[in-house]
Amino acid sequence: GAGVSQSPRYKVAKRGQDVALRCDPISGHVSLFWYQQALGQGPEFLTYFQNEAQLDKSGLPSDRFFAERPEGSVSTLKIQRTQQEDSAVYLCASSLRAGNTEAFFGQGTRLTVV
Amino acid sequence: AQSVAQPEDQVNVAEGNPLTVKCTYSVSGNPYLFWYVQYPNRGLQFLLKYITGDNLVKGSYGFEAEFNKSQTSFHLKKPSALVSDSALYFCAVRDGRNTGFQKLVFGTGTRLLVSP
Repeated sequence: GAGVSQSPRYKVAKRGQDVALRCDPISGHVSLFWYQQALGQGPEFLTYFQNEAQLDKSGLPSDRFFAERPEGSVSTLKIQRTQQEDSAVYLCASSLRAGNTEAFFGQGTRLTVV
Repeated sequence: AQSVAQPEDQVNVAEGNPLTVKCTYSVSGNPYLFWYVQYPNRGLQFLLKYITGDNLVKGSYGFEAEFNKSQTSFHLKKPSALVSDSALYFCAVRDGRNTGFQKLVFGTGTRLLVSP
């Protein structure tokens, strides 16, 4: 597609429920990032993929968070046993390659844990 | 570790007047600097970047930014503001010490409000 696509746009989960957020990057983009944006804050880095390899997951807040990109294109961010503090907008971005190229962001998935 | 400071939560400007949104950064190596804009219920849109070269960078929608190494600043500017420029603006920095992966670190954002 023309841009980064994320689904669902909105997700309401009961506390303790598992959720899966999907990201379709721009075709041909090597790098893929996940960010978490809390209300009133800037995006915070979660994890990075170069093709199918997850090169950095230092930003994942706990072992309840898991991300994968098995074929080097679509990525899924999974959150197990959701907690209220997980409520945020989850942004996916892709860039043509690592280094000095700009990243293009999707519209995000707004997760609300009740 | 790199960091970004956007000292103003909100900037108010009248349409037609020049605008400046401030950003200062801290990074160990050479900075790669970016500005993004976020409209309500929309993702971040890339405006411009500084990697190397001229300190004055021109970007989308008439925006420009000036890199100042001595002041570690990268302020966003526009000569004449439009009401449609009202949005949330984020400055971001990446450590350019190598060409491999370096995460983008964002500021907390500045809300720009342009009044008619």
